[in-house]
Amino acid sequence: GIQVEQSPPDLILQEGANSTLRCNFSDSVNNLQWFHQNPWGQLINLFYIPSGTKQNGRLSATTVATERYSLLYISSSQTTDSGVYFCAVERRGEGETSGSRLTFGEGTQLTVNP
Amino acid sequence: NAGVTQTPKFQVLKTGQSMTLQCAQDMNHEYMSWYRQDPGMGLRLIHYSVGAGITDQGEVPNGYNVSRSTTEDFPLRLLSAAPSQTSVYFCASSYTGTVLYEQYFGPGTRLTVT
Repeated sequence: GIQVEQSPPDLILQEGANSTLRCNFSDSVNNLQWFHQNPWGQLINLFYIPSGTKQNGRLSATTVATERYSLLYISSSQTTDSGVYFCAVERRGEGETSGSRLTFGEGTQLTVNP
Repeated sequence: NAGVTQTPKFQVLKTGQSMTLQCAQDMNHEYMSWYRQDPGMGLRLIHYSVGAGITDQGEVPNGYNVSRSTTEDFPLRLLSAAPSQTSVYFCASSYTGTVLYEQYFGPGTRLTVT
């Protein structure tokens, strides 16, 4: 199956710092999504980004599908940004009736200190 | 909208017991899925459904059954619980077309099998 690798696995920042998280994938994909899992375990969709660049406040994401990677930028980090950031890639299943499936990376654990 | 709801939030089972994790969504989403998350790992797809009456296996389906009799509900059944099924289980839903759209996750069910 497809491999999804995220880096770095852990990141510790001071409040106000900027950071870049990377997601590499081993094969072509139909779509890519970024998620944030807060310290209480809730998963929130951040970006739905098969290609190109999107921005939402202090966060932005870029996916270069032809080179099989995506980047998540966090600017002026805040303590509330702490948690785990996952990327997930979408591919269609192999059977005739199969639908799309998401494969997740192992995540980047971000800690933002005040 | 309640979004995606999961019950129970916590559950302890003995080895060999069976149980059903409930998942419901009120957004009229066609696509629903179940994931498990083990410590320090990303989410792994157990089963998914592209609509009522249609289900398919994901990456780790063994020991789990699903059915989708209505658009709103997608229960996950553990047939004979094993300690290896100790995990946090997440249900998700989304619209789907040629690709999946933004995934909405439930709050999760923390399951311990002793």
